[in-house]
Amino acid sequence: DGGITQSPKYLFRKEGQNVTLSCEQNLNHDAMYWYRQDPGQGLRLIYYSQIVNDFQKGDIAEGYSVSREKKESFPLTVTSAQKNPTAFYLCASSMGPNTEAFFGQGTRLTVV
Amino acid sequence: GQQVMQIPQYQHVQEGEDFTTYCNSSTTLSNIQWYKQRPGGHPVFLIQLVKSGEVKKQKRLTFQFGEAKKNSSLHITATQTTDVGTYFCAGPPLPGGYNKLIFGAGTRLAVHP
Repeated sequence: DGGITQSPKYLFRKEGQNVTLSCEQNLNHDAMYWYRQDPGQGLRLIYYSQIVNDFQKGDIAEGYSVSREKKESFPLTVTSAQKNPTAFYLCASSMGPNTEAFFGQGTRLTVV
Repeated sequence: GQQVMQIPQYQHVQEGEDFTTYCNSSTTLSNIQWYKQRPGGHPVFLIQLVKSGEVKKQKRLTFQFGEAKKNSSLHITATQTTDVGTYFCAGPPLPGGYNKLIFGAGTRLAVHP
């Protein structure tokens, strides 16, 4: 079954701890993205990657880090430097330029 | 940086009424994509428009891409309760926006039976 998988669906962490969100795709897509969505808000781009071992900052990269060591995987680390990390995080992938993006189910992160 | 704005932010309609959402980009887009997110769900791709002035239809949904490739609209005829959700436009900016998919803030549609 092809698709994009995010895990876990819900995540709770204490303030000051780093946390890594998983994103895996078996669609053979080159491009992958991370977005943040706050209640009633749109999608804001955190990081994106066009190919393996390459990634660029989006509009709100501060306090986040990513890696792209494999084509299938694009994990996002929310560091303690992120001032307001509680949000819904969405990972997406696409074949390449100008093609539709496929989204994972999202991870709802709550920091207490 | 590039901004994509959508209006209205929120719209209430009675079932059977029409609905339109508008998308405006501060920069030219190579293409415009539309997505729908149901409450509690994730965005799902609806359509992509590429050519200047392009119009596409999907049943009761009509999508337009502006002549300058900086604006777009989605029109739903005779809304149904299944149309409830948030509609987002998105696009990679020109120049140099290769694979940088920027989303608008979305328009949340509520349909009352």
